[in-house]
Amino acid sequence: DAKTTQPNSMESNEEEPVHLPCNHSTISGTDYIHWYRQLPSQGPEYVIHGLTSNVNNRMASLAIAEDRKSSTLILHRATLRDAAVYYCILNFGNEKLTFGTGTRLTIIP
Amino acid sequence: EPEVTQTPSHQVTQMGQEVILRCVPISNHLYFYWYRQILGQKVEFLVSFYNNEISEKSEIFDDQFSVERPDGSNFTLKIRSTKLEDSAMYFCASRPDRYSYEQYFGPGTRLTVT
Repeated sequence: DAKTTQPNSMESNEEEPVHLPCNHSTISGTDYIHWYRQLPSQGPEYVIHGLTSNVNNRMASLAIAEDRKSSTLILHRATLRDAAVYYCILNFGNEKLTFGTGTRLTIIP
Repeated sequence: EPEVTQTPSHQVTQMGQEVILRCVPISNHLYFYWYRQILGQKVEFLVSFYNNEISEKSEIFDDQFSVERPDGSNFTLKIRSTKLEDSAMYFCASRPDRYSYEQYFGPGTRLTVT
């Protein structure tokens, strides 16, 4: 599985945008970029995924670099409920998810 | 909104006992998964299941583990003879179809082996 690199932790103020980076320099042409998050004491939760183009949904936006070697998950207006571990995962799309250690996001009220 | 459910939320068992963890995936989903997370560690893939058979399994998923979809709604994980190191959160997930890549996770079952 292609490897991703994320900062161990980040902090953000409530109601401000958050940009969570992910490096994946060994990404293959068929790898999708997935983001999941895990709130405290809960199961992982799907956030967003993309292949080449930037993607938006009700939860977040995903900005993918032109060379696809990095991506950024954007939470437009962080709330306390967004405090979680965020995982950037590469896979072909239809099989297992390989979780890393992710980025622990702390929201400061 | 439909969601994956899991029972029980917490299971305590003695070493060597058999346990069955139960999951009800989202209706009409076709792909099913089990993952586990040992306290303080990463979420680890165990097994994927499609069309009534295992499609992929990890090294963790040895002969002590089995999965079954006994009816049209339940998806179970059985551990035949539990070990202390099986203590973990076990998450079930489901995915709609081959064209949808997002997996929907349940809240998990905390398994404690004493």
